[in-house]
Amino acid sequence: AQSVTQLDSQVPVFEEAPVELRCNYSSSVSVYLFWYVQYPNQGLQLLLKYLSGSTLVKGINGFEAEFNKSQTSFHLRKPSVHISDTAEYFCAVRPIFGNEKLTFGTGTRLTIIP
Amino acid sequence: EPEVTQTPSHQVTQMGQEVILRCVPISNHLYFYWYRQILGQKVEFLVSFYNNEISEKSEIFDDQFSVERPDGSNFTLKIRSTKLEDSAMYFCASSQQGFEAFFGQGTRLTVV
Repeated sequence: AQSVTQLDSQVPVFEEAPVELRCNYSSSVSVYLFWYVQYPNQGLQLLLKYLSGSTLVKGINGFEAEFNKSQTSFHLRKPSVHISDTAEYFCAVRPIFGNEKLTFGTGTRLTIIP
Repeated sequence: EPEVTQTPSHQVTQMGQEVILRCVPISNHLYFYWYRQILGQKVEFLVSFYNNEISEKSEIFDDQFSVERPDGSNFTLKIRSTKLEDSAMYFCASSQQGFEAFFGQGTRLTVV
């Protein structure tokens, strides 16, 4: 079984400041990792994913994440946030082999302060 | 860009009634999923569907739930007798090869 921990339930950040949203996971097998974003009253949109290869992955809207296998982390970063980045961010994992179900973290609400 | 579409966007139903939530996955995708998100909680897996059968289901997906792909394009979730605790946002998702899942906008189900 897998579990995902997002320790920060809410993160307020000033506009144009950098942000890091933390994600740690636990799994007995190798996993793929994902970040999804949920804008207010909308569905889940894939921000970025790590399947294999370079541990630094770039996604949409200027976000990037780094997979750290030894620390079982997949933190999301953006060097300069905008008001439009206000949303809920979910980290998720799924096993490389076997079932395809995603296990989500509890989410981090990112609020951008003008 | 192709997308997963869900209807209705909001459904209000009385406790004990049956509801059917509808989804049109992306056309060349082979894997289909339902997830739900109770207000303020994490997104939870309900069921996955591949090759016209359920490939995995969670403990939430009990006998009150069923899924169907009736016509090769739609993918439905039926709840036979709704309970108050079924109130949630229900997300349909699809995947081409089981790697990344694309989610719909969701159906907000309110059981009163």
